[in-house]
Amino acid sequence: NAGVTQTPKFRVLKTGQSMTLLCAQDMNHGYMYWYRQDPGMGLRLIHYSVGEGTTAKGEVPDGYNVSRLKKQNFLLGLESAAPSQTSVYFCASRTDKLNTEAFFGQGTRLTVV
Amino acid sequence: GDSVTQMEGPVTLSEEAFLTINCTYTATGYPSLFWYVQYPGEGLQLLLKATKADDKGSNKGFEATYRKETTSFHLEKGSVQVSDSAVYFCALSGSGGATNKLIFGTGTLLAVQP
Repeated sequence: NAGVTQTPKFRVLKTGQSMTLLCAQDMNHGYMYWYRQDPGMGLRLIHYSVGEGTTAKGEVPDGYNVSRLKKQNFLLGLESAAPSQTSVYFCASRTDKLNTEAFFGQGTRLTVV
Repeated sequence: GDSVTQMEGPVTLSEEAFLTINCTYTATGYPSLFWYVQYPGEGLQLLLKATKADDKGSNKGFEATYRKETTSFHLEKGSVQVSDSAVYFCALSGSGGATNKLIFGTGTLLAVQP
């Protein structure tokens, strides 16, 4: 079972470059999330989606955009990367039923220089 | 808004010691509560959960009880092992509507020494 797969696992960007992180899940989950993890800050929600074609802002959305054109995929885009976006990014998915847990990908370590 | 507060780490214990990691929450309604564990270089995995007041979640020797009166969900283990060294996150899931977010605490690093 693949579960939640993130691509790529590592990336180094120069300031101002753009990139897209891909999250794919094969569990037919309705909800998908993008978090960033920084030392001492825990996981902070960037954007989330409650279904195909719908997205919403989380706690720290500035500088990021997302799209959910297919139910199984959730893309996170950085249009103009900044050093402050150096972080580990995690995608998660869960069903739309109450009280269910989320499943996480392995993470993407992004460094912006 | 909803929030989770957990004790700061790192927590350093000797093998076979008793573990408690405190977690308190603020939420409207009746959230579900979770503990996740993150081993080095990996994503988060569910450790245990509780979905209503007085429920006890348990897994791999870890336990946590959903205490609505104290808005707490403290994680405990009677005898830790070196293999338990990881970061532990307390989380809650909001109780209503389509915006069923997962809110995480800042994580607590546990280091168990042989």
